[in-house]
Order: sequence, then C-alpha cells, then structure tokens
Amino acid sequence: KNQVEQSPQSLIILEGKNCTLQCNYTVSPFSNLRWYKQDTGRGPVSLTIMTFSENTKSNGRYTATLDADTKQSSLHITASQLSDSASYICVVSEGSSGSARQLTFGSGTQLTVLP
Amino acid sequence: EAQVTQNPRYLITVTGKKLTVTCSQNMNHEYMSWYRQDPGLGLRQIYYSMNVEVTDKGDVPEGYKVSRKEKRNFPLILESPSPNQTSLYFCASSLIPHSGANVLTFGAGSRLTVL
Repeated sequence: KNQVEQSPQSLIILEGKNCTLQCNYTVSPFSNLRWYKQDTGRGPVSLTIMTFSENTKSNGRYTATLDADTKQSSLHITASQLSDSASYICVVSEGSSGSARQLTFGSGTQLTVLP
Repeated sequence: EAQVTQNPRYLITVTGKKLTVTCSQNMNHEYMSWYRQDPGLGLRQIYYSMNVEVTDKGDVPEGYKVSRKEKRNFPLILESPSPNQTSLYFCASSLIPHSGANVLTFGAGSRLTVL
C-alpha cells in the first residue's frame, strides 16, 4: 500500500529561525511530490511541486528537496515568520506524467512560530 | 475567479437526518475529490472522480455517497449521518494528470457537526 510519512508531527520554533520538515514515501511508480500549506480552518494551498528529475526547488523562503533514490523529500523554511504557522502536508502522485492516478497524503507537520 | 465552492460552510445536524454538501468548480477540471480532516489524522480521501459518471472509493468511503452527473459538480451525500462523521470536509479539483501545473485546488471547507 502506498504511504507517505511526515516528521515531526509538530514543531515549535521562534520567529526568525530556520526549520526543516521531512517526508518519506513508498508510492510507486512515482510521478511527483507536492508540498501544501494549510492555515487553520482553510483549504491547503500548493507551495511547490517536485518531479522525478528535480532535486531542489525554491519558492521564496521555502526550499524543497527530493531524493528519488531514497524516496525522501524535505521542506526547509528560512527566517521563519509568524505567518508560517500552519500545517504542511506532503502529497505524492502515483503513475507516469501521462496518466491519472490517486494521490497519497501525508498526515502533515503542524508548525508553530512564536514571537 | 477560478475556485472550488462548497456549501454549507458550517452545519449542525442530528443523527439520521440526510444531508448533502455541495461542491462546484469553475475550472473545467476532470478530477474532483472529497476529504475529511480530523485532529491528528490529516486529510483522508473519501471518494474521488476522474470524470463525469466515474467515481471511486478513497480510504474512508463508509457512510458516504457521491455522484458526478456534471463535470463541475461533485456533491457529497450523507444518507444517515452519525456522530463519528463530525469533521471538517474539503472538496478539491484538478486537471489530470496530477503533474506540472495541474495542482489540486481546494475549497474553503465545510465544518459538519452531527449530534
């Protein structure tokens, strides 16, 4: 069964500090991996997508990495801000880029940034 | 504005009283899906649809029904709601395949309480 595991489950950091969230997956065949940010009580919003051939991708203060060999991804947040407090969800898509397959969701990492 | 619209946003009902949560998207997306989100469990897929008249069970389909008679609409039906269906529900849509720019767009969520 396809699985996506995220760690840590929750994380508290001080404003201005950096942090790294982890995502391990067993989805096969692999198509792509997305990181979503979900503010409390709202729908998730995509931060970045990683395809098989990509190792690193940045979106402002967010940098995602992918190691397709070890089936691991990380999301690094630089110089955290209070608005970064949210749940970060890793979602992996199965199948080739030309096919339609089900998505597998991680349970998320709840990040709290304190002033 | 491209969006996924869910209604109602908030609902309190009683056990056994049938209810429908509507979901509509204006992006001509083939893929639509329903999720429930409970504390500590993350997003869990209830049902999904690859296109009109094509629906499949997700991870937690028990107690729910869906239909996809039109491309833009994907209602979630609770024939006989029970208290364990109290949850936050999200509808989402996407072009197929789930790669590249074809990101999942989520609705704002529907908070359901079953007494």
